[in-house]
Amino acid sequence: SQQGEEDPQALSIQEGENATMNCSYKTSINNLQWYRQNSGRGLVHLILIRSNEREKHSGRLRVTLDTSKKSSSLLITASRAADTASYFCAPGVGNEKLTFGTGTRLTIIP
Amino acid sequence: EPEVTQTPSHQVTQMGQEVILRCVPISNHLYFYWYRQILGQKVEFLVSFYNNEISEKSEIFDDQFSVERPDGSNFTLKIRSTKLEDSAMYFCASSGGRNEQFFGPGTRLTVL
Repeated sequence: SQQGEEDPQALSIQEGENATMNCSYKTSINNLQWYRQNSGRGLVHLILIRSNEREKHSGRLRVTLDTSKKSSSLLITASRAADTASYFCAPGVGNEKLTFGTGTRLTIIP
Repeated sequence: EPEVTQTPSHQVTQMGQEVILRCVPISNHLYFYWYRQILGQKVEFLVSFYNNEISEKSEIFDDQFSVERPDGSNFTLKIRSTKLEDSAMYFCASSGGRNEQFFGPGTRLTVL
């Protein structure tokens, strides 16, 4: 597997606003996953997008994938205080290990 | 909704002691993983397990570590002789083969 690079490293927004974070990777993938980690807790799987998909939605989450640019974005709409967490992308090929970067630390200001 | 569970939530041990961390993966999953996260650092892969054998392990996973699936439900990580630097959160994950990995809440291991 390869490590994705999340950007920005930190993001603070007002509750109700939208949050966008990006992920870049280096080599071809079959899929890309996004995870959330609340401080000191386990990772929560948010969404998986396959390489033949360009966009995917799940509730307030919208993920895009541009394989030509080797990048993905995660949009969280109408943010809530509970969205405060670190977000990680995990580019992958199959059922292999995941390699996590430093993530985007999102803070929602009430 | 099915979830991965881990016990204990917190384990305190003396340096040199053996510890066993336990995980119950999601019941129909086939792929199992252990990761760890030292405080303030990235989540690191330790080992993956499929078809009753290790499929991949990292450099961290040396001879002091072992994994076992003793029955149809549990997946354990054993550290034979703990060191101070083994203090970390240990996460178990499982996958049903569609690439998504589902993580447990973690075991915080403190080695004194």
